[in-house]
Amino acid sequence: GESVGLHLPTLSVQEGDNSIINCAYSNSASDYFIWYKQESGKGPQFIIDIRSNMDKRQGQRVTVLLNKTVKHLSLQIAATQPGDSAVYFCAENEGGSEKLVFGKGTKLTVNP
Amino acid sequence: DAMVIQNPRYQVTQFGKPVTLSCSQTLNHNVMYWYQQKSSQAPKLLFHYYDKDFNNEADTPDNFQSRRPNTSFCFLDIRSPGLGDAAMYLCATSRRRGRGDTQYFGPGTRLTVL
Repeated sequence: GESVGLHLPTLSVQEGDNSIINCAYSNSASDYFIWYKQESGKGPQFIIDIRSNMDKRQGQRVTVLLNKTVKHLSLQIAATQPGDSAVYFCAENEGGSEKLVFGKGTKLTVNP
Repeated sequence: DAMVIQNPRYQVTQFGKPVTLSCSQTLNHNVMYWYQQKSSQAPKLLFHYYDKDFNNEADTPDNFQSRRPNTSFCFLDIRSPGLGDAAMYLCATSRRRGRGDTQYFGPGTRLTVL
């Protein structure tokens, strides 16, 4: 997922609904994936991570799913709240490297 | 209990006037990173340090330099800022080198170039 372009994909949901944010990654050698949440004017905040030997991991209200066959990553947020409104970035890490490659980001808006 | 601290949060400089941004961390992490983030874009890695070992990205302009005098501190120097360098600059840390590790970000410094 090399980030290109200036227009963020957007997702608008109603408060209380579940949200699903998707990310396609490019490097089949990537073995570690992170989801970050970035609120306006702030730094990215770690949400949840997953390694390539897993296909699902759950946190508090969040679930990350990894499909290595199609190189796809998703973040599910249960019972979305207004405080979840932010830009969400996926990031991938190639094994043996400490560098992350960020995806484009998705802007989530939660309507009350 | 802030873990990655960036100062200042907002910096205004003039075209061509050198500027230094600061990052400090209380996590005792080995790796420190500097990213540039422009509006509606993902963070772009400029360079990173593993301890004192400096790793520059191939497409980072020479105008950008960095110093890491000790484990806790890392500085980003922009020698001659241009209008295109206006952005949010993010510092991040991770515990170790090699196999993927979580990066923890600071709040960022918003740089304005007049």
